[in-house]
Amino acid sequence: EIVMTQSPVTLSVSPGETATLSCRASQSVSVNLAWYQQKPGQAPRLLIYAASTRATGIPARFSGSGTGTEFTLTISSLQSEDFAVYYCQQYDNWPPLTFGQGTRLDIK
Amino acid sequence: EVQLVESGGGLVKPGGSLRLSCAASGFTFITYSMTWVRQAPGKGLEWVSSISSTSNYIYYADSVKGRFTISRDNAQNSVSLQMDSLRVEDTAVYYCVRPRPGWAFDIWGQGTVVTVSS
Repeated sequence: EIVMTQSPVTLSVSPGETATLSCRASQSVSVNLAWYQQKPGQAPRLLIYAASTRATGIPARFSGSGTGTEFTLTISSLQSEDFAVYYCQQYDNWPPLTFGQGTRLDIK
Repeated sequence: EVQLVESGGGLVKPGGSLRLSCAASGFTFITYSMTWVRQAPGKGLEWVSSISSTSNYIYYADSVKGRFTISRDNAQNSVSLQMDSLRVEDTAVYYCVRPRPGWAFDIWGQGTVVTVSS
């Protein structure tokens, strides 16, 4: 099973600044990596797939990078609606499909 | 509009059974694999089970293998999850999700709550 580890657990950033979230895989997942955003009481929303491709309707301030075992989600010019929990997920080698434990992005 | 609507959640005693259903609309259901993902209260996301478009391939998480059964009805555009021998640790919101090609999940239902408690 591929273990996904996200850091930090909680990140506090001021609106208008840039947030950088990390995701590490226990073995290479190539670029088969997705990022999701989840707000309280809502289902997750797909932001990024194939490590760096934005999903339909996702603003350009969300960007993904990385390959192999190290991945980054960068959110620039943070808006109030961006404060949420973010999850990464690998789909390279499964079953099982595995998610990271999440990073909570808080307003500073 | 592409949509997934889950139903069937509720309160059940340990050892009991529950059947979740997911109605799909707005896309060609028969061309997509489908998946169930769950989220325990205050916890992260956990993949539960996936089924291919023609039911040829079915996979389960180890935590539910032998207790849960996924199935689909392409004529009715629906996917189901039969949950038997339920445990307290199965308490969660269960999401029906559609994977885009490559197994990132681009469409999520609103979720249905399953509570296993005596």
